[in-house]
Amino acid sequence: ELKVEQNPLFLSMQEGKNYTIYCNYSTTSDRLYWYRQDPGKSLESLFVLLSNGAVKQEGRLMASLDTKARLSTLHITAAVHDLSATYFCAVDEETSGSRLTFGEGTQLTVNP
Amino acid sequence: EPEVTQTPSHQVTQMGQEVILRCVPISNHLYFYWYRQILGQKVEFLVSFYNNEISEKSEIFDDQFSVERPDGSNFTLKIRSTKLEDSAMYFCASSGSYNSPLHFGNGTRLTVT
Repeated sequence: ELKVEQNPLFLSMQEGKNYTIYCNYSTTSDRLYWYRQDPGKSLESLFVLLSNGAVKQEGRLMASLDTKARLSTLHITAAVHDLSATYFCAVDEETSGSRLTFGEGTQLTVNP
Repeated sequence: EPEVTQTPSHQVTQMGQEVILRCVPISNHLYFYWYRQILGQKVEFLVSFYNNEISEKSEIFDDQFSVERPDGSNFTLKIRSTKLEDSAMYFCASSGSYNSPLHFGNGTRLTVT
């Protein structure tokens, strides 16, 4: 059974600081996704990482994938309050279609 | 930007009743999915659907669950006899291809009393 573990699960940080969220997974896969979820809302796609060494950046967020280490990171640079949300990584099990196994989520709070 | 739409946004039902959750995926997408999220927990895969048939389903998706694409636009999830533990947010998603990200709808919050 594929396991996807995120840490930390809760992260409270100050505006302007940097931090990294980690996503470890237990199977070989080179398809990993990061999603953002605001309270009571849907899941918004942030990044699609499809190969070893993939790095994607959008604004203050940067995601990377190391398939050999089975690790993805989501780095936050100079956090702002608007980034407060829950962030999920999800790994595609590479079976038919797209069966995503989600991590538990990291609840990020950025304090002014 | 095209989006996945789900109705209703909230459904309250009594245990043992049947519910149908409805979704309109993005029009040119080919892959369709249902996921669910029990309050405060992670998102769980239920079923994927492609070419008018189920391509994969999880252990959660037992005989009480079924999916259908009754016409060219709707994609439905039916729970035949709801249980208390079926209470969750149910998300429909669609994607255009095998490797593209899933686009999720806003979800239907199902409350079973």
